[in-house]
Amino acid sequence: GAVVSQHPSWVICKSGTSVKIECRSLDFQATTMFWYRQFPKQSLMLMATSNEGSKATYEQGVEKDKFLINHASLTLSTLTVTSAHPEDSSFYICSAQGQPSGETQYFGPGTRLLVL
Amino acid sequence: KNQVEQSPQSLIILEGKNCTLQCNYTVSPFSNLRWYKQDTGRGPVSLTIMTFSENTKSNGRYTATLDADTKQSSLHITASQLSDSASYICVVTPRGGGSNYKLTFGKGTLLTVNP
Repeated sequence: GAVVSQHPSWVICKSGTSVKIECRSLDFQATTMFWYRQFPKQSLMLMATSNEGSKATYEQGVEKDKFLINHASLTLSTLTVTSAHPEDSSFYICSAQGQPSGETQYFGPGTRLLVL
Repeated sequence: KNQVEQSPQSLIILEGKNCTLQCNYTVSPFSNLRWYKQDTGRGPVSLTIMTFSENTKSNGRYTATLDADTKQSSLHITASQLSDSASYICVVTPRGGGSNYKLTFGKGTLLTVNP
């Protein structure tokens, strides 16, 4: 099946710093990538949807200047958490959708972010 | 509002036993319903996918059922193993236009299999 990777798998940073998370589709072309956030014992919450070469569409309540998303190629999307604060600590998961998988979203393994 | 409710919230069983997890949804119309397994600290992995016209789908020891009339689905796990300990998430894809399919996630059932 299709494989999606994320890097790093976990990151610890100081408050005020920026953190970049990469999401890659390894064996298919991801025309659309999704970024989710998951708090403990909660379901995945969609943050934004990005189509290759276009600006991301953010969900209500998600600050686009805080969470910068770039989807510059069919295999790579990045999420940058700018000026991270402790409340941004969470589990960030990306998913990718494209050809030949069609509407199926394949999830990455997630990135655990801890902001001190 | 599209919603997916799962029960129970958590479940503890002994290794070798069977169990059934429930999912009720209000998403309508829908394209498909999937069950995912999410290990702690990992991303979700798809177990089964069912479209509107399907009422059962098996994947090894996992069997999912779907009743589109009552908007209910279940995931049955037979002969449970310690490695089955995980969160099981029911996810419904609404039927709609465009290429961005916004999924509706349940909160999951946390299954613990004890020796």
